[in-house]
Amino acid sequence: EAGVAQSPRYKIIEKRQSVAFWCNPISGHATLYWYQQILGQGPKLLIQFQNNGVVDDSQLPKDRFSAERLKGVDSTLKIQPAKLEDSAVYLCASRGQGTGNEQFFGPGTRLTVL
Amino acid sequence: KQEVTQIPAALSVPEGENLVLNCSFTDSAIYNLQWFRQDPGKGLTSLLLIQSSQREQTSGRLNASLDKSSGRSTLYIAASQPGDSATYLCAVKTSYDKVIFGPGTSLSVIP
Repeated sequence: EAGVAQSPRYKIIEKRQSVAFWCNPISGHATLYWYQQILGQGPKLLIQFQNNGVVDDSQLPKDRFSAERLKGVDSTLKIQPAKLEDSAVYLCASRGQGTGNEQFFGPGTRLTVL
Repeated sequence: KQEVTQIPAALSVPEGENLVLNCSFTDSAIYNLQWFRQDPGKGLTSLLLIQSSQREQTSGRLNASLDKSSGRSTLYIAASQPGDSATYLCAVKTSYDKVIFGPGTSLSVIP
């Protein structure tokens, strides 16, 4: 089966600009996660979707970050406006039922804010 | 609040050596624990998933154990190879469906 797809793979922007990331989970996976991974740290959960509903967004900086998952499939994560400290890798993961609750990760989008 | 730590932060071993990576968590009420591998500039690859009712899981040269009562998991890598060089992360899934990652252990296997 195809894995989790993410685009773009790399993005360089200046502070105060806007950026959007896209994720296509494994087909049939109801749960989708967005993580932020700062260099040298483990991934930190930003938001979790169950189908098209938000399960957990407690660590999402809502003043600048937003995410949606229309129709419960693809998802986009947006940052507006970006700050220097947003430089990180943004990982998308999905999980289906009956897979032992295992998460499958995409390759990530590396964001550099100058 | 669940916290996950990993020791050591970095490890360098000669090829062929057996090694153990450690993961500790503060709240034993976990649903499962998963070990991942991350290569530079890449996403995470799942290695082993241990359910809360299990004590260990094995895949090839990898063996992961789980001791919930002590809040610890170990990843054992037998006969290490240069291709094993990567960062290894553990993640616990809590009963509230939250997934919390440790900071990772950077492993370097020297030929």
